[in-house]
Amino acid sequence: AQTVTQSQPEMSVQEAETVTLSCTYDTSESDYYLFWYKQPPSRQMILVIRQEAYKQQNATENRFSVNFQKAAKSFSLKISDSQLGDAAMYFCAYSEYGGSQGNLIFGKGTKLSVKP
Amino acid sequence: DTAVSQTPKYLVTQMGNDKSIKCEQNLGHDTMYWYKQDSKKFLKIMFSYNNKELIINETVPNRFSPKSPDKAHLNLHINSLELGDSAVYFCASSPLGETQYFGPGTRLLVL
Repeated sequence: AQTVTQSQPEMSVQEAETVTLSCTYDTSESDYYLFWYKQPPSRQMILVIRQEAYKQQNATENRFSVNFQKAAKSFSLKISDSQLGDAAMYFCAYSEYGGSQGNLIFGKGTKLSVKP
Repeated sequence: DTAVSQTPKYLVTQMGNDKSIKCEQNLGHDTMYWYKQDSKKFLKIMFSYNNKELIINETVPNRFSPKSPDKAHLNLHINSLELGDSAVYFCASSPLGETQYFGPGTRLLVL
């Protein structure tokens, strides 16, 4: 069974600095998706970034980028120029690519605090 | 326009009651999901429907029954509520196997 592990329950970053959130996963599949979702105090789940496993290029969305290491089964999220609004729970998630089920398997989350 | 909506957003009820949570999506997706987020923020799949057919049914008490009247709706009915059912319940939708978009969540508190 696939698993997702986030080893940092809490992280803190100074405003305008850079922070990296870690995620590792386990799967025997070769094709899959990886995601980072953000959950602010409003509890809304917001998609931050998506990576297709077949793509070697790391995904980037504005200040958010990932370091996808397929062989190491590692998928870290880098937030550059951190802003106060980035404070939230961040969840790493996995789903099968084109799978018949497609449900997300989540890590336990990392709570990010941003200090002014 | 709200893409995935849930009603109600908050639900406070007594043990033993029966309650329903409704979910609607206007994204034209084929697949809808229910996730449960517990008090430690852990998210886990409960059910998944594709084109109104159940495709995932995780180990969930049979007091929980999903119903999908059409592709745009997936409701969750809970019978005989227990204290341990207190959680946040999220609905999500996607094309099958693609990125999922979540509703705002329903916070259920069982007293």
